[in-house]
Amino acid sequence: AQKITQTQPGMFVQEKEAVTLDCTYDTSDPSYGLFWYKQPSSGEMIFLIYQGSYDQQNATEGRYSLNFQKARKSANLVISASQLGDSAMYFCAMREGTGFQKLVFGTGTRLLVSP
Amino acid sequence: ETGVTQSPTHLIKTRGQQVTLRCSSQSGHNTVSWYQQALGQGPQFIFQYYREEENGRGNFPPRFSGLQFPNYSSELNVNALELDDSALYLCASSLGPQGAPSDEQYFGPGTRLTVT
Repeated sequence: AQKITQTQPGMFVQEKEAVTLDCTYDTSDPSYGLFWYKQPSSGEMIFLIYQGSYDQQNATEGRYSLNFQKARKSANLVISASQLGDSAMYFCAMREGTGFQKLVFGTGTRLLVSP
Repeated sequence: ETGVTQSPTHLIKTRGQQVTLRCSSQSGHNTVSWYQQALGQGPQFIFQYYREEENGRGNFPPRFSGLQFPNYSSELNVNALELDDSALYLCASSLGPQGAPSDEQYFGPGTRLTVT
């Protein structure tokens, strides 16, 4: 069963606008962590933001915020004030419990920011 | 910059050959994980090494194997290469093999392997 689902293959946004990238997940483990990574064309996975299953508040990191809706099992990434440099692939990932460091990734969303 | 390096950057091999990819983890990180990312897909977990022992494996055949060394370097070896092994291979280092879900993995830039 697919554990991370990203339904948007591609998204377009104009510079300075906000954009939401969708992510839903599936797990029966009460303890889990959700991550968002940015992957530019160079290939390196850049960590953006983390949300824990027990965190009471939505995570924020600068222009990135995570809209965490636990009952709906969704963890959408919101990028405010988009910049041209935000154009990249974005991956949602999950790690369950306190097991080994395996991350399960979605298929990604390609974001294109236009001037 | 995550402090994780990988070599080579690109590699072209022929079907049936063997390949070794290398990773240098962040200093102090005794756990390394390897991922395979096929074109247009998210990374898939291959295996994890902790203190030079494999302690977790994804759905990959035994011809995918690894080594981890005390100096925070590691290798991914793939035998009998197949066309479907063409992918970006990422290594990621972390502080420990188990921990809070928040423990971050630091990824290297990857090695792009092409099998012809």
